[in-house]
Amino acid sequence: DGGITQSPKYLFRKEGQNVTLSCEQNLNHDAMYWYRQDPGQGLRLIYYSQIVNDFQKGDIAEGYSVSREKKESFPLTVTSAQKNPTAFYLCATRTSGIIDTQYFGPGTRLTVL
Amino acid sequence: GENVEQHPSTLSVQEGDSAVIKCTYSDSASNYFPWYKQELGKRPQLIIDIRSNVGEKKDQRIAVTLNKTAKHFSLHITETQPEDSAVYFCAAELGGTSYGKLTFGQGTILTVHP
Repeated sequence: DGGITQSPKYLFRKEGQNVTLSCEQNLNHDAMYWYRQDPGQGLRLIYYSQIVNDFQKGDIAEGYSVSREKKESFPLTVTSAQKNPTAFYLCATRTSGIIDTQYFGPGTRLTVL
Repeated sequence: GENVEQHPSTLSVQEGDSAVIKCTYSDSASNYFPWYKQELGKRPQLIIDIRSNVGEKKDQRIAVTLNKTAKHFSLHITETQPEDSAVYFCAAELGGTSYGKLTFGQGTILTVHP
């Protein structure tokens, strides 16, 4: 877990603004994921990436965008099209074995003012 | 897609008692079932997991059982301690080309009273 960093820890944005959340890892893991967590709820998958320059939509991708230009980095942009962006955002990584474990970063709490 | 149901949503026990949390999944192709513990404001931490070719796995006070026929799996915590208080999430991963996609349950808030 210590090899996954997310920044910033807290983020405030005004309505109508785009904002980018950072996720960096030094675990040499191929796969990376973005989840959203709302109070009292489980984690929902936004986007995921198995390899550099490739990514797939998860269950709630509308209003979000990602890029995967480097193995170590998987930034998430929350666009103004996301109607209810206030949430706790978690990045995770996983090795590319047939079945393996996902490890989570410390999270970014985004609040829309 | 996969759907995971988790029960109960809240669980309160006395220190030293056992706690059991149950999850059911919908897709029989799911083959990996991790459990995560999340303390307030922190990241989820993996506490135990089980593959579909195993019926039970134990790690000290924590155990997980899997019933593939019934499509349910359970987390068992024995001799609970106040530090076990947290939110627990189960998850299921489809095999094949699912790319490690986990579907999570809604979570169980466990409170252990001293």
